[in-house]
Amino acid sequence: AQSVAQPEDQVNVAEGNPLTVKCTYSVSGNPYLFWYVQYPNRGLQFLLKYITGDNLVKGSYGFEAEFNKSQTSFHLKKPSALVSDSALYFCAVREGYGGATNKLIFGTGTLLAVQP
Amino acid sequence: DTEVTQTPKHLVMGMTNKKSLKCEQHMGHRAMYWYKQKAKKPPELMFVYSYEKLSINESVPSRFSPECPNSSLLNLHLHALQPEDSALYLCATAVLAAHEQFFGPGTRLTVL
Repeated sequence: AQSVAQPEDQVNVAEGNPLTVKCTYSVSGNPYLFWYVQYPNRGLQFLLKYITGDNLVKGSYGFEAEFNKSQTSFHLKKPSALVSDSALYFCAVREGYGGATNKLIFGTGTLLAVQP
Repeated sequence: DTEVTQTPKHLVMGMTNKKSLKCEQHMGHRAMYWYKQKAKKPPELMFVYSYEKLSINESVPSRFSPECPNSSLLNLHLHALQPEDSALYLCATAVLAAHEQFFGPGTRLTVL
């Protein structure tokens, strides 16, 4: 079965500093990986995905993620954190073989707190 | 229209009530999902619809009854719920051939 792990419940970073939110994966076959962000009392917003191709994926709001096959990781990064980036971040992997069988398997989430 | 809308935003119901949650999209997505999310936890998949037909039911109790009356609407009918069913209920949609899902803002459900 596919799975993702987010080893940190919370990440604290000062505004203006670079941020990293970690995610490792365990899949059979090619991984389809995603990052979502959830602001308080809101639904999840799609940030970026890795399907194939370049290992560095650029997404919304200045976020990017690096796919590392040898380390089975897909860490989310941003060069300069904003207070408004404070939110709950979920890594996810697609399970299924396409079409109606597609399911997203989520990590446990990492709370990002950016201090002014 | 690139949004998934959900109504109501908040719902409080007793254990004997019958209520429904509604999800609507006009993006032409033919896969639609219901998730349940507890505070600070990841979403848990409940149901998947593909072309208005139920394709996945994650062993959800029968007190939750999904319905997809057309390609734009997804309902979740609730009956005889328990307090532990209190949660944020999220709807999501996707293009079947693609990978990412797009989520609505959710309905915050409280069962008394």
